[in-house]
Amino acid sequence: AQSVTQPDIHITVSEGASLELRCNYSYGATPYLFWYVQSPGQGLQLLLKYFSGDTLVQGIKGFEAEFKRSQSSFNLRKPSVHWSDAAEYFCAVGGSGTYKYIFGTGTRLKVLA
Amino acid sequence: GAVVSQHPSWVICKSGTSVKIECRSLDFQATTMFWYRQFPKQSLMLMATSNEGSKATYEQGVEKDKFLINHASLTLSTLTVTSAHPEDSSFYICSAVSPGLAGVSYNEQFFGPGTRLTVL
Repeated sequence: AQSVTQPDIHITVSEGASLELRCNYSYGATPYLFWYVQSPGQGLQLLLKYFSGDTLVQGIKGFEAEFKRSQSSFNLRKPSVHWSDAAEYFCAVGGSGTYKYIFGTGTRLKVLA
Repeated sequence: GAVVSQHPSWVICKSGTSVKIECRSLDFQATTMFWYRQFPKQSLMLMATSNEGSKATYEQGVEKDKFLINHASLTLSTLTVTSAHPEDSSFYICSAVSPGLAGVSYNEQFFGPGTRLTVL
């Protein structure tokens, strides 16, 4: 079955600390992978995406993610978190044969001052 | 480029009335659009796939007669919530796909900002 798992429902970090949000997927074809951020009451903003090539992907706002095929993972990282990064983060997977995405359940990030 | 808008951004209506939400691709032609529903503190739930000039394909459990989708042009899809009830209150998000959009992957969705529906 195709699925996306974000194991951490909530994560709390201190401002300036490093961050890693986990995303694991199960997908029958070559995956296209996405990370989105959503602030309360807002739509989705694309942070970064992976289709092919270099497995370390740089995104906006200082985020990066690494695609690890052997682990079926696409974890999101940021070396130093800012208070404005507090939001909900969604991982999604799509594929070459479909326009549809499968979304993870999301991780809510809280940043302590 | 690849901007998707939604109108209205929020709407309040009385129970029993119908509400129409528009989704527009502003700078590209969208052959396919998706409609999602999001409950508070939950992920996006795909409701239906809308293809220009054809009937929408609804996900299992989504009432077709309740959520009417029309994709009459390559830049506009509408979602009409008919006879709305308080349980229809939610955040509705659309997305659009355009194969062949210059510089963009074939399969990437572009999301609108969402519409908050409150049914009293």
